[in-house]
Amino acid sequence: DAGVTQSPTHLIKTRGQQVTLRCSPKSGHDTVSWYQQALGQGPQFIFQYYEEEERQRGNFPDRFSGHQFPNYSSELNVNALLLGDSALYLCASSLLDLNTEAFFGQGTRLTVV
Amino acid sequence: QQQVKQSPQSLIVQKGGISIINCAYENTAFDYFPWYQQFPGKGPALLIAIRPDVSEKKEGRFTISFNKSAKQFSLHIMDSQPGDSATYFCAAKGVGGKLIFGQGTELSVKP
Repeated sequence: DAGVTQSPTHLIKTRGQQVTLRCSPKSGHDTVSWYQQALGQGPQFIFQYYEEEERQRGNFPDRFSGHQFPNYSSELNVNALLLGDSALYLCASSLLDLNTEAFFGQGTRLTVV
Repeated sequence: QQQVKQSPQSLIVQKGGISIINCAYENTAFDYFPWYQQFPGKGPALLIAIRPDVSEKKEGRFTISFNKSAKQFSLHIMDSQPGDSATYFCAAKGVGGKLIFGQGTELSVKP
């Protein structure tokens, strides 16, 4: 079992550009959540996808969007990048059940210059 | 109501000592409380978790104590080792399953 895998591991983008990050959930998991972790902070919830629909959204602007594919993998898109978007972006997978564990990938380190 | 407050921000413990990290929450709808361990450049890894109908859970050297009435929970690391040096996050699972994280505690275990 490969666990949760994310790509790429590191990324450098210029302010104003767009970026797409990818996530493959742990085998058997149907729900993918995305988190943003700024340096020295705890992860902040961006949104959650289940059955290719966005189920919940945190306090992030519309520049942040996502998608889930039929095989449960997911993408996070960020448009019009700002310097403040520089962070570690984490994908977590789980089963759609309030009492199950969420497993995190190693994250994508995004640097906006 | 969605906050989870964690303390201390940093902690230095001697090898063999006990590390204690505390968290407090406000929202009584939270029903699952995990602790995550994160090493630099890595994603958080689940360490141990507890549900509010249990007051204590122990797994090896790691113990969660849970006080539902006070809305507080804590992580105890017994016989702390240098390899335990990492950042620890408490979290609470909210409505719909999203995790609300504390601010993190950077633990350093000195040999």
